Amino acid sequence: AQSVTQLGSHVSVSEGALVLLRCNYSSSVPPYLFWYVQYPNQGLQLLLKYTTGATLVKGINGFEAEFKKSETSFHLTKPSAHMSDAAEYFCAVSPNTGGGNKLTFGTGTQLKVEL
Amino acid sequence: ETGVTQSPTHLIKTRGQQVTLRCSSQSGHNTVSWYQQALGQGPQFIFQYYREEENGRGNFPPRFSGLQFPNYSSELNVNALELDDSALYLCASSSSSGGSYEQYFGPGTRLTVT
Repeated sequence: AQSVTQLGSHVSVSEGALVLLRCNYSSSVPPYLFWYVQYPNQGLQLLLKYTTGATLVKGINGFEAEFKKSETSFHLTKPSAHMSDAAEYFCAVSPNTGGGNKLTFGTGTQLKVEL
Repeated sequence: ETGVTQSPTHLIKTRGQQVTLRCSSQSGHNTVSWYQQALGQGPQFIFQYYREEENGRGNFPPRFSGLQFPNYSSELNVNALELDDSALYLCASSSSSGGSYEQYFGPGTRLTVT
């Protein structure tokens, strides 16, 4: 079974500061990895994904994440936070072995951006 | 390109009642997944439909059932509602072709059970 752990249910940063949201996964084989963002009263929007190839992936809104197999991690970063980044962020995994692409989500990290 | 739509946006039901939630998938997508997101939690996989057949199910009781129609739209039905069924229900569509792995989510239906 796959699982996702997001360290820190709440993260607060100053505008212009580095954003680092942590995600570790547990899987018998390297899964596909995703970060989604959820704004209040909205659905989930895909930020970025890792399937194969380059381990540093770039997404929308200046976010990027690096897949580190040895650390079973897929941390999300953004060099400079903007007020509009305040939202909830979810890390998710899905199997890479076919049979559908069910997503297993972490419990989420609420990002607060302060002036 | 039309995104994933869900109806209704909000719903209030009484314990023991039945509810049907609806989802229209994104154009060109043949797979629909349903997720339950309780307050303060990450979404939990309920089940997935591919070409009108259930294609995987999470740890939810049989009173959660679904349908997918020939146009790939979908319904989630919940019988004998319980208070713990109060949640945001998310529908996501995806394509099984071209090696695409992304799921595109709708805005969700907020279900409140009293």
